[in-house]
Amino acid sequence: GESVGLHLPTLSVQEGDNSIINCAYSNSASDYFIWYKQESGKGPQFIIDIRSNMDKRQGQRVTVLLNKTVKHLSLQIAATQPGDSAVYFCAENRSPGNQFYFGTGTSLTVIP
Amino acid sequence: DTEVTQTPKHLVMGMTNKKSLKCEQHMGHRAMYWYKQKAKKPPELMFVYSYEKLSINESVPSRFSPECPNSSLLNLHLHALQPEDSALYLCASSQSKGGEQFFGPGTRLTVL
Repeated sequence: GESVGLHLPTLSVQEGDNSIINCAYSNSASDYFIWYKQESGKGPQFIIDIRSNMDKRQGQRVTVLLNKTVKHLSLQIAATQPGDSAVYFCAENRSPGNQFYFGTGTSLTVIP
Repeated sequence: DTEVTQTPKHLVMGMTNKKSLKCEQHMGHRAMYWYKQKAKKPPELMFVYSYEKLSINESVPSRFSPECPNSSLLNLHLHALQPEDSALYLCASSQSKGGEQFFGPGTRLTVL
């Protein structure tokens, strides 16, 4: 399953399928990006990050892709599990101020 | 110790009350943050402290008053709040400003 972030804030996938969550960012000068997972009643939890000198970074079951040309970021989750159900936010580090600003978020529901 | 703690977990207050939210980290981080998060919305940055000095105030009303007594503690003093201030208040810390942020679980605030 795939979302386009701002336009489709919810995504439902079958357990075991791959998920793709998308994020469009606004500032071409942003040079550092983080994906966070937020479960109900908890604070955001770091998943994976990427700097602007890279276009792909892999973690355990997760991959982040960065396309600076179109200012687009995606999070791919392989073999999605029920425990992956949460809201996923991308955050961009913008100048000036060197601070993170969060995207709208996508709610992922994994169907067993 | 790799966590950010926040107290209280829940807080209900009237519009004339004065209360404080507390945040603590023992990771040696020198940047600490307050965010406000409304339901189904991304966290919004309120304040940033870097080396115990207020670095950023994102045009937050004066009824919210931050304080950083030392490098491990961050407080948010609340006075004369409005019902629309009801939200989840998140604290985060990072090694330095602009680095990966670790979030606490948040304080769920309800203003009556």
